[in-house]
Amino acid sequence: DVKVTQSSRYLVKRTGEKVFLECVQDMDHENMFWYRQDPGLGLRLIYFSYDVKMKEKGDIPEGYSVSREKKERFSLILESASTNQTSMYLCASSFPPDRANSYEQYFGPGTRLTVT
Amino acid sequence: AQKVTQAQTEISVVEKEDVTLDCVYETRDTTYYLFWYKQPPSGELVFLIRRNSFDEQNEISGRYSWNFQKSTSSFNFTITASQVVDSAVYFCALSDLNSGYSTLTFGKGTMLLVSP
Repeated sequence: DVKVTQSSRYLVKRTGEKVFLECVQDMDHENMFWYRQDPGLGLRLIYFSYDVKMKEKGDIPEGYSVSREKKERFSLILESASTNQTSMYLCASSFPPDRANSYEQYFGPGTRLTVT
Repeated sequence: AQKVTQAQTEISVVEKEDVTLDCVYETRDTTYYLFWYKQPPSGELVFLIRRNSFDEQNEISGRYSWNFQKSTSSFNFTITASQVVDSAVYFCALSDLNSGYSTLTFGKGTMLLVSP
């Protein structure tokens, strides 16, 4: 069974704090993704990574950065948290396009972040 | 540009009713994948099905069935004899082959509420 875990289910931070959201997968997937989910807006891709130390911007990268030092771990960083970053953050992983079952993304349980 | 439209924001049914969730997509790719995911109240997105654009056969899995019609760019999902446990947000998604990675474009989701 694919397992994607996220470091926290709920997180409360203050405006201006630096926030780290961690994601770990155990399926040896090359690709990892960070999304945010907001009511009425669905899932929006923030950043993704297709290999260690490689990253690509998604649709809404502003205010975020990422780090992938090991294949199984992908971190989302909010350099200076703001109230408009209050959201549900979902991590996912998948194989690359040239592999069987490519494009099937497996999701973690999500982190509900509140910035006050 | 890729686009997935789930026009139904919210659907309410009574247990044992059949319900169909609509998904319409736009893509210029000739080869693509379509997906449905379920997000129960716990928050984790659960993969339900992947459909290749070359395969227009309908699929049935227990009480779930999927109707893929390339001519109308639709990939609808039907739950037969709905149950309270089916209450969730359902997302339709489309692969983005042009990205070169395994990225997906998600619809905004349909919230299904099944009452006893």
